[in-house]
Amino acid sequence: GAGVSQTPSNKVTEKGKYVELRCDPISGHTALYWYRQSLGQGPEFLIYFQGTGAADDSGLPNDRFFAVRPEGSVSTLKIQRTERGDSAVYLCASSLTHPGTQYFGPGTRLLVL
Amino acid sequence: QQQVKQSPQSLIVQKGGISIINCAYENTAFDYFPWYQQFPGKGPALLIAIRPDVSEKKEGRFTISFNKSAKQFSLHIMDSQPGDSATYFCAATVRDDKIIFGKGTRLHILP
Repeated sequence: GAGVSQTPSNKVTEKGKYVELRCDPISGHTALYWYRQSLGQGPEFLIYFQGTGAADDSGLPNDRFFAVRPEGSVSTLKIQRTERGDSAVYLCASSLTHPGTQYFGPGTRLLVL
Repeated sequence: QQQVKQSPQSLIVQKGGISIINCAYENTAFDYFPWYQQFPGKGPALLIAIRPDVSEKKEGRFTISFNKSAKQFSLHIMDSQPGDSATYFCAATVRDDKIIFGKGTRLHILP
C-alpha cells in the first residue's frame, strides 16, 4: 500500500546497545513526525521534520535520542545506550504539509532487556 | 502535567448502544481537537475532529460534542458495533502543530 511504513516491526535489544528505527513516509509528504507510545498511554511527540530539517525536537527526552532525514523522505530515529525505560512503541507519521492531517505508521515495538 | 485528560480508561457497551468518551483540557490556546482510533498492532487513525467555533460535529455514527466554556469535549458512537472495538484517543493541538494525546479509552462492544 501507499501508507507510512516502519521497520523493523519489532526490535529486541540489550541495555546499553544502539538501535536505529526507520520510517518511510507517504510519497510526497513533506512533514514527518516521531512519537513514542508507552504501554497504556497515548502517543507522545518526540520530533518533527519539515523537509530535511528538524523543525521541532522539543519532545526528545535526552541526548541519547537523535533523528535524521537526510534527503527529506526516509527518516531514522537513533537511540544510543538504550535503557529499559526506552521500551515502547515508536510511531512515525507523515503529512502532506505542516500543519496537516498526520497519517501514522504501524509503529516499531522496541523492547530493551 | 497532563494537558488532555480522558475518561473512562475502559468501556464496555452492548451492540447497538451508545459509547461515550469524555475529555477535558486546560490550555485555552488549543484550537483543534481530533479523535483517533487505534486497533491492536496499528498506528492511530484520524476518526473525526472539531474546532472550537462549533459545538457539535457529526460524521455518520460518530459525533463530537464540544463545550468551550467548560473546556470539555466528548465522542459519541451511536449504534455501536463490534467492529468499533478499539482504543480511542482524544487529542488537542495549537494551530495543527504537534498532537497532544489523552491516555486513551479501550472500548469493547459486546456482540
